[in-house]
Amino acid sequence: GAVVSQHPSRVICKSGTSVKIECRSLDFQATTMFWYRQFPKQSLMLMATSNEGSKATYEQGVEKDKFLINHASLTLSTLTVTSAHPEDSSFYICSASTGGGYTFGSGTRLTVV
Amino acid sequence: QKEVEQDPGPLSVPEGAIVSLNCTYSNSAFQYFMWYRQYSRKGPELLMYTYSSGNKEDGRFTAQVDKSSKYISLFIRDSQPSDSATYLCAMIPPNFGNEKLTFGTGTRLTIIP
Repeated sequence: GAVVSQHPSRVICKSGTSVKIECRSLDFQATTMFWYRQFPKQSLMLMATSNEGSKATYEQGVEKDKFLINHASLTLSTLTVTSAHPEDSSFYICSASTGGGYTFGSGTRLTVV
Repeated sequence: QKEVEQDPGPLSVPEGAIVSLNCTYSNSAFQYFMWYRQYSRKGPELLMYTYSSGNKEDGRFTAQVDKSSKYISLFIRDSQPSDSATYLCAMIPPNFGNEKLTFGTGTRLTIIP
């Protein structure tokens, strides 16, 4: 089946630094990818929709300059958390649509210290 | 009122029992319905995907959609401890692939050996 590979699975960074999370579709082309954030024991919150070759669409309340999304090819989308702060610590998950549903990456646990 | 309502649980049942998980929704435009299973600190895994009303069975899992009542269900037969996870319902209108998923809050399920 369709696989979305997400890296890294876990990252710890210092406050003020930037962190890049990669999401790759391994055996299909993903025109659209979705980036979510999930807090403990809560459902997924959509942050932005990433479209190949164009600007991402951000959900209300999500800072575009803080969460930079790049979708330069049909198999790769990246999320960069810029100038990370402890409140950015969370579980970030990407997703892409396939013929049989929406497939999710394995998630990235970001801890900002 | 949320677009998708799902009892967050937690729900605990003995091994071997039949589990019933449900969601209600308010947007009649939803046409595609999905159930995801999410283990702790992992990305959601697609279990079932149905279009419009009807039933779909896959092994121990059965998904039901009743569009007239705006009600969807997931049944798990012969439940196993490995089924312990959070189950999320998700749905989208037509234009599959570009639309964002609308999730329920998730139900935490524990199967007791």
